[in-house]
Amino acid sequence: KQEVTQIPAALSVPEGENLVLNCSFTDSAIYNLQWFRQDPGKGLTSLLLIQSSQREQTSGRLNASLDKSSGRSTLYIAASQPGDSATYLCAATGAGSYQLTFGKGTKLSVIP
Amino acid sequence: GAGVSQSPSNKVTEKGKDVELRCDPISGHTALYWYRQSLGQGLEFLIYFQGNSAPDKSGLPSDRFSAERTGGSVSTLTIQRTQQEDSAVYLCASSSGTATPETQYFGPGTRLLVL
Repeated sequence: KQEVTQIPAALSVPEGENLVLNCSFTDSAIYNLQWFRQDPGKGLTSLLLIQSSQREQTSGRLNASLDKSSGRSTLYIAASQPGDSATYLCAATGAGSYQLTFGKGTKLSVIP
Repeated sequence: GAGVSQSPSNKVTEKGKDVELRCDPISGHTALYWYRQSLGQGLEFLIYFQGNSAPDKSGLPSDRFSAERTGGSVSTLTIQRTQQEDSAVYLCASSSGTATPETQYFGPGTRLLVL
């Protein structure tokens, strides 16, 4: 059974810093890995999706990497802003599956 | 509509009562998912609908939980004889259903509190 872990559970950084969020998964036979953002009282917004054949994806200030062999993914946020404050979730999809297995998230606070 | 909508946004009920949660997917999306997010827990998959195929109910935690999808669009998640441990945020998502993998678009969720 796939298990997804995110460390740390919470992170506080000053505005302008670059930061990395970590995600690890136990079963390397994943089909893809997604990073989501969740704002309080709202649903999830998909940020980046990395297919198993890819190493990374970029969108604006965000860069997500995937290393299947080590069972790890990272989300890099450049030049953080207070508006980046949210909970970031990673989720893995198994081969031939549509089910997302989520980590518990990292709550990010960017301090002005 | 422009996105996935869910209603109600909040629901408070007494233990033992039945509740119905509604999800309106993005128009044209054939795939629909329900997830549950409990306090301190990650999101867990509940059920998946794809077109006219039989739904995947493998994630439903007990037989008190059921879901329907009428006309391939709106879905209702029903919880019978609610228990306090059912308190959670219930999230619905939809996707086009045309490819794997594909992005799932989430609604804002229904926050359920069972007293």
